[in-house]
Amino acid sequence: GQQVMQIPQYQHVQEGEDFTTYCNSSTTLSNIQWYKQRPGGHPVFLIQLVKSGEVKKQKRLTFQFGEAKKNSSLHITATQTTDVGTYFCAVSEANAGKSTFGDGTTLTVKP
Amino acid sequence: GAVVSQHPSWVICKSGTSVKIECRSLDFQATTMFWYRQFPKQSLMLMATSNEGSKATYEQGVEKDKFLINHASLTLSTLTVTSAHPEDSSFYICSAQTVDRMNEKLFFGSGTQLSVL
Repeated sequence: GQQVMQIPQYQHVQEGEDFTTYCNSSTTLSNIQWYKQRPGGHPVFLIQLVKSGEVKKQKRLTFQFGEAKKNSSLHITATQTTDVGTYFCAVSEANAGKSTFGDGTTLTVKP
Repeated sequence: GAVVSQHPSWVICKSGTSVKIECRSLDFQATTMFWYRQFPKQSLMLMATSNEGSKATYEQGVEKDKFLINHASLTLSTLTVTSAHPEDSSFYICSAQTVDRMNEKLFFGSGTQLSVL
């Protein structure tokens, strides 16, 4: 079945530092999505990547889809305390009809 | 964005009883909904895919007779945990899928914390 690895599991940064989480799949993907879950909350959709080599930006967040469509990254520039939470990638294969979630990267930001 | 309502938010029940959790898409129709289980500080584990008007598709290792799913309408899916036991205690969360401009998005309910005594 679909296997997805997300690293690192935890990341502690000082406010203002950058942060990156990586998502790697064992198979070629149809698309990848990123979600953020705040402590005690539910996952919230951030973005979907579909095209090989695609790069999308949302303010301080940069999302990238690998050329081979097997990996992706989420980069946050100059982290803020509001960025704390767990970031999940969710991957889909063509015609799978469902997504598989990575284990998530939990980000903590020290003021 | 789309809104998915899930209730109850939390429930405490005695061992052996059944618990029903509802998941509603409030402002859109969802032909497909998903049910997940999440343990503390862990990822979301897909339990089953709920399709309107047909039987749910369960993931390997998930007992379909234990976790009954009904998707009777385009806006409502229910998960019933039958004869609950303490090991069923967990955070259960649903999501509904929308397709907008070729983007498949999942909108999540707020989750249900189940504690079985």
